[in-house]
Amino acid sequence: AQTVTQSQPEMSVQEAETVTLSCTYDTSESDYYLFWYKQPPSRQMILVIRQEAYKQQNATENRFSVNFQKAAKSFSLKISDSQLGDAAMYFCAYRKTGGGNKLTFGTGTQLKVEL
Amino acid sequence: DAGITQSPRHKVTETGTPVTLRCHQTENHRYMYWYRQDPGHGLRLIHYSYGVKDTDKGEVSDGYSVSRSKTEDFLLTLESATSSQTSVYFCAISESRGTEAFFGQGTRLTVV
Repeated sequence: AQTVTQSQPEMSVQEAETVTLSCTYDTSESDYYLFWYKQPPSRQMILVIRQEAYKQQNATENRFSVNFQKAAKSFSLKISDSQLGDAAMYFCAYRKTGGGNKLTFGTGTQLKVEL
Repeated sequence: DAGITQSPRHKVTETGTPVTLRCHQTENHRYMYWYRQDPGHGLRLIHYSYGVKDTDKGEVSDGYSVSRSKTEDFLLTLESATSSQTSVYFCAISESRGTEAFFGQGTRLTVV
């Protein structure tokens, strides 16, 4: 079974600074997808960024980028120029290709943004 | 925003009573899912559906049943609610060839 591990329950960052959230996963599959979801206090699950395993290039979405290391099974999220609105719970998630598109989530990292 | 509506948004119920949560989508997506979110566990899959009347279990399915009689509706039933089922429940949908899952707003269920 696939597992996703987020080893940082909480992280803090100063406004305008950069922070990196860690995620590792375990799978025997070669074709899969990885995601970072953001959950603000409103409880809504918001997709931040996705990465296809077959792509070597790291995904980037504005201030959000990932460091995808397939051999190491590592998928970290970097947030640049942190803003107060970035404060939220962040979940790393894995999905293999096919198989019902089911997501396996990590336990989450609570990000605090300080002035 | 993807058209997903969960109802109710909040519910308090007593131990031993049956409870049904509803998920309704307007996107005509094939797959529908029920997850529960608990502190320290992230989101865990309860059941999912890959078509009308086609459902399968997830990793935490004990004590839950589901039904999907129409493409747009996916019901989650707690046959006899227990305090361990106090949680936030999320419905999600995805397309057959899509990569992204879209989530509802969640239902906070408290079993007293």
